[in-house]
Amino acid sequence: SQELEQSPQSLIVQEGKNLTINCTSSKTLYGLYWYKQKYGEGLIFLMMLQKGGEEKSHEKITAKLDEKKQQSSLHITASQPSHAGIYLCGADMGDFNKFYFGSGTKLNVKP
Amino acid sequence: NAGVTQTPKFQVLKTGQSMTLQCAQDMNHEYMSWYRQDPGMGLRLIHYSVGAGITDQGEVPNGYNVSRSTTEDFPLRLLSAAPSQTSVYFCASSSGAGWGEKLFFGSGTQLSVL
Repeated sequence: SQELEQSPQSLIVQEGKNLTINCTSSKTLYGLYWYKQKYGEGLIFLMMLQKGGEEKSHEKITAKLDEKKQQSSLHITASQPSHAGIYLCGADMGDFNKFYFGSGTKLNVKP
Repeated sequence: NAGVTQTPKFQVLKTGQSMTLQCAQDMNHEYMSWYRQDPGMGLRLIHYSVGAGITDQGEVPNGYNVSRSTTEDFPLRLLSAAPSQTSVYFCASSSGAGWGEKLFFGSGTQLSVL
């Protein structure tokens, strides 16, 4: 959706390299969610951020929400082929019962 | 525990044909929704429902109908398929508050309209 801008659109990295994916909104994000989608499958929830400045980590993936709650980043450390897929940010922007998604970042990790 | 089940997984239609994409969840979730995923556009909300008998439009509702007669089922109907409806469709459900964390997705239906 245009409410959420995600970058880059695609990314190819060598195994072992670090990478960052960004998600930006012009509106306040009441909840920012990161999902991963393996090719041809549904979405798997990764992390949720709600407070400005919040940071969460799971294994080698770290997500942050800025203080203004308008931008989030997803950082993968020492990438592995298992990290390959499409990463999408989703957000609750205060529209009752509506949940918005970014356009996705396609990640390939070369062995 | 099946979660969210979508059928069919693949479908090819001719322009003008009608069909129904099925979605069922066994988690007693009140909130259910349909999204379409197109290259470079992420997921866009088509219709959603906050409970049996209640439905509302999302971002891209034109050409689609929904109904919610039971808590478990939320079918998506294409009355007269058009090539612009070629896409991957996802059904999702949630228990309600904190949509994102509790959004459970089906495995998707890949639809081609010729």
